[in-house]
Amino acid sequence: KNQVEQSPQSLIILEGKNCTLQCNYTVSPFSNLRWYKQDTGRGPVSLTIMTFSENTKSNGRYTATLDADTKQSSLHITASQLSDSASFICVVSAGGNYQLIWGAGTKLIIKP
Amino acid sequence: DVKVTQSSRYLVKRTGEKVFLECVQDMDHENMFWYRQDPGLGLRLIYFSYDVKMKEKGDIPEGYSVSREKKERFSLILESASTNQTSMYLCASSYTSGYTDTQYFGPGTRLTVL
Repeated sequence: KNQVEQSPQSLIILEGKNCTLQCNYTVSPFSNLRWYKQDTGRGPVSLTIMTFSENTKSNGRYTATLDADTKQSSLHITASQLSDSASFICVVSAGGNYQLIWGAGTKLIIKP
Repeated sequence: DVKVTQSSRYLVKRTGEKVFLECVQDMDHENMFWYRQDPGLGLRLIYFSYDVKMKEKGDIPEGYSVSREKKERFSLILESASTNQTSMYLCASSYTSGYTDTQYFGPGTRLTVL
């Protein structure tokens, strides 16, 4: 069964600190892996998309890595800001937009 | 900037009512999607459409139907609302450019069925 599991479920860190969110997947066939940010009460917004040949991609202070061999991805957030308080969702595509498997997300809270 | 709008942010309906959720996108995207999002679960695809008047079932289509009469508008219909359809409903659209199409989401409609 295709699955995407994220850890931790929730995380609280102090403003200015770094953090890393994890995503493990069992999806076949694998097409690409995406990270989305979802602010409370809003729709998800795309951060990065990586195919199997890409092992790192950055979007500002967000850096995603992908290890297709171990089927793991991580999202590293540098110098966190209060605006980073959100849910971060890992999504794996088994072939285009019609076959996306969504993780449940990690809820990140940044404290001043 | 891509803009996806949904007709209501919050909606309260009674069991058995017919419910219409509207979604409009302004970027001429071919693809449109309806998801529901429940606490502790990933987004689940209800229906999607890859062209006007075309629709495909997603993972959880039971109890829902859709309509796409115009390219920019995709409607989700709950024929007879039930309490287990209380959820956040998210609409998305995308342009077909290969396997890395980005989906753009609306703000969501939080539906409560009493």
